[in-house]
Amino acid sequence: EDQVTQSPEALRLQEGESSSLNCSYTVSGLRGLFWYRQDPGKGPEFLFTLYSAGEEKEKERLKATLTKKESFLHITAPKPEDSATYLCAVQARGYGGATNKLIFGTGTLLAVQP
Amino acid sequence: DAGVTQSPTHLIKTRGQQVTLRCSPKSGHDTVSWYQQALGQGPQFIFQYYEEEERQRGNFPDRFSGHQFPNYSSELNVNALLLGDSALYLCASSRQGDYSPLHFGNGTRLTVT
Repeated sequence: EDQVTQSPEALRLQEGESSSLNCSYTVSGLRGLFWYRQDPGKGPEFLFTLYSAGEEKEKERLKATLTKKESFLHITAPKPEDSATYLCAVQARGYGGATNKLIFGTGTLLAVQP
Repeated sequence: DAGVTQSPTHLIKTRGQQVTLRCSPKSGHDTVSWYQQALGQGPQFIFQYYEEEERQRGNFPDRFSGHQFPNYSSELNVNALLLGDSALYLCASSRQGDYSPLHFGNGTRLTVT
């Protein structure tokens, strides 16, 4: 069964204190692993897609990496505006070009204090 | 370029009632998916519509049904509401067969009392 587990559930950092969020997954044929950011009362906002082990993507203070079993979201020198819930999701390969559903983890709630 | 829009933003219903939620996809997208997000949880896949047909379905009862219109917009209907149906309902759009990510709306917050 396709499954995503995120850790930690919650993380509190001081401004400038770098850290990493973990996403462990099992999926029958990975098409993509996605990272989203979600602010309270809002829908998830797309951050990154990773397709194969060894791939890395960067955006401002965020860097996502992928192995065959897990993904990490590294946050370098975070600022208070980085506070949000970070969601990880996997998508299995579809058939005939079909766009398959996303399987989400429960998220990591990040709080960055000034 | 308008993103995914959902209406209404908030809704309060009583147990046993029926509700309809609406979604307009991002311009250029033809596939709409619906997700349910309970408080403190990740989104759970309900179903996906493409070419006005339900293409995939998650583990949700038949009380949950949907529709897609020729302009690609979509509705989610929930009958015989239960307290446990209280959640944020998210609509996401994409292009079928395109490797672009899902784009989400800001959701409809449904409260069942």
